[in-house]
Amino acid sequence: GAVVSQHPSRVICKSGTSVKIECRSLDFQATTMFWYRQFPKKSLMLMATSNEGSKATYEQGVEKDKFLINHASLTLSTLTVTSAHPEDSSFYICSATVAGGRRNTGELFFGEGSRLTVL
Amino acid sequence: GENVEQHPSTLSVQEGDSAVIKCTYSDSASNYFPWYKQELGKRPQLIIDIRSNVGEKKDQRIAVTLNKTAKHFSLHITETQPEDSAVYFCAARTEGYSTLTFGKGTMLLVSP
Repeated sequence: GAVVSQHPSRVICKSGTSVKIECRSLDFQATTMFWYRQFPKKSLMLMATSNEGSKATYEQGVEKDKFLINHASLTLSTLTVTSAHPEDSSFYICSATVAGGRRNTGELFFGEGSRLTVL
Repeated sequence: GENVEQHPSTLSVQEGDSAVIKCTYSDSASNYFPWYKQELGKRPQLIIDIRSNVGEKKDQRIAVTLNKTAKHFSLHITETQPEDSAVYFCAARTEGYSTLTFGKGTMLLVSP
């Protein structure tokens, strides 16, 4: 299947700092990437849908100024947690679908996830 | 929007037994239903999916059934093994939309 790479896998930061997480599709083009947040023993909560070359679409209750999403190319989307606080500590996972072509089965491919700990 | 309910939230079985996880969805326009397995601290992995034009799909010990009329679909794992222990998520998607709606997950524990 297609490969989605996410970095960093773990990050620890001080309260008030910003953290950037990258999501790359390694062997396919992804016009759309998704960012999820997952609390311990909980489901995947969609935060936003990231479309290449346009503004991200945020889910209700997700602060767009807090969670900045940039999708500058067909293979890269970034999530920046600005002025992080302890309550932002969580597991963040990106995902992508293949943009058209024979490989477009509709399957969602996930990155490895990034565990953020804000002290 | 779509709403996906998943049951049970936890499921404990003995090795060799079968496990069944059930999901219901609300949007009759949904036509794609994947199941993901997520081991602790790792990414979700697609294990099987089904589209609305079929009622059942099987892949070795894993099978999924879909009842469009009742708007529910189920995951069946036979001859369970300890390595099947993980959290399983069902999801649904409506044709024309790329967003998946996930169920809350089922933690499956297979005891040796």
